[in-house]
Amino acid sequence: DSGVTQTPKHLITATGQRVTLRCSPRSGDLSVYWYQQSLDQGLQFLIQYYNGEERAKGNILERFSAQQFPDLHSELNLSSLELGDSALYFCASSVAGAASLGGEQFFGPGTRLTVL
Amino acid sequence: LAKTTQPISMDSYEGQEVNITCSHNNIATNDYITWYQQFPSQGPRFIIQGYKTKVTNEVASLFIPADRKSSTLSLPRVSLSDTAVYYCLGVQTGANNLFFGTGTRLTVIP
Repeated sequence: DSGVTQTPKHLITATGQRVTLRCSPRSGDLSVYWYQQSLDQGLQFLIQYYNGEERAKGNILERFSAQQFPDLHSELNLSSLELGDSALYFCASSVAGAASLGGEQFFGPGTRLTVL
Repeated sequence: LAKTTQPISMDSYEGQEVNITCSHNNIATNDYITWYQQFPSQGPRFIIQGYKTKVTNEVASLFIPADRKSSTLSLPRVSLSDTAVYYCLGVQTGANNLFFGTGTRLTVIP
């Protein structure tokens, strides 16, 4: 158990819909990362937040957005869903601050999104 | 761009040492190199991280040459439970981006 929790575990929805994935980092961790893992694209970095502020941005689509709240939990919002958005979405947390990108990250169990 | 490349798969017998190499061009001089292990349907798990030369912990060693354009994860005496996918992580600090390699699927054979 990494100490990172993600809800829901599974999500099935239809094309065009909008969903919200939730992540609670380990106690004391200020950084939250979001990743997408699909069969054909591997692990793709989406976005990082540090203490409520966006810190780094990867291959995140404009239809996707995220935020980190004052209690440090984070949400990833996916809208206008397409079949290709079906994937595992992982959240990770770390103690690393704004000056350090990456570092030791603790991953949650993931949310499996299926778009029909 | 800081891309990472790894062999797609490797097989090894139990008890052998396994070395997995990752190539990562344009890694910044002050960025760490990190390796993760992932089992099916689980999130990746941190294995080891290094900056230069050699780092060793209780499960693995990491070798980084002076030019830092590659790194080698060494797993001593693998067991069946080491069957997993291993990823190296590249960081591009200047562009605020992270790149996981394609992953190396290690299969340990009895």
